[in-house]
Amino acid sequence: DGGITQSPKYLFRKEGQNVTLSCEQNLNHDAMYWYRQDPGQGLRLIYYSQIVNDFQKGDIAEGYSVSREKKESFPLTVTSAQKNPTAFYLCASTRQSSGNTIYFGEGSWLTVV
Amino acid sequence: KNQVEQSPQSLIILEGKNCTLQCNYTVSPFSNLRWYKQDTGRGPVSLTIMTFSENTKSNGRYTATLDADTKQSSLHITASQLSDSASYICVVGYGNNRLAFGKGNQVVVIP
Repeated sequence: DGGITQSPKYLFRKEGQNVTLSCEQNLNHDAMYWYRQDPGQGLRLIYYSQIVNDFQKGDIAEGYSVSREKKESFPLTVTSAQKNPTAFYLCASTRQSSGNTIYFGEGSWLTVV
Repeated sequence: KNQVEQSPQSLIILEGKNCTLQCNYTVSPFSNLRWYKQDTGRGPVSLTIMTFSENTKSNGRYTATLDADTKQSSLHITASQLSDSASYICVVGYGNNRLAFGKGNQVVVIP
């Protein structure tokens, strides 16, 4: 089945450690996105990529990094510089044209202990 | 100020009843408006997407309306079921493939 796969679903991290969240899609979508969702809040854009080997900062990129070496993969690294990393992270993808459905992954829960 | 405002923030409805969720937006230039359903701890799932020229779209028991002049949209749930308990997110596309998210309407359906 086509879709977006995020892993791991749950992740615990010690303060000061970097952690990488995986996002893979087999929908042949050009654009991929990372969002952060906090309780009672709307989704906030961290990074997005419209094409392989290119990505742009979103509204809250500080403390995060991404790469887009392959069309189907868009991993997100939460670095130790991120002051409040505990959150629910969602990866999404869509075709390049405006108005297309955005498909979301099942999300990854990151808890810093 | 959030560019997409949803109301009510939360509501409780009896199984079998109808309800209507509201979404007002200020972003421009408008491109499209989408409604998503998000179960707790899961990724959002698309319900409807409407462009400027569309003023209503249905997906089963879900019917979305759009008034691009007043920048308002609604999502109507008919004959609610327990499985409708979720957060409903309004997402407005604007500009160069930009998206603005509402905070969601939290719906709880009780037997």
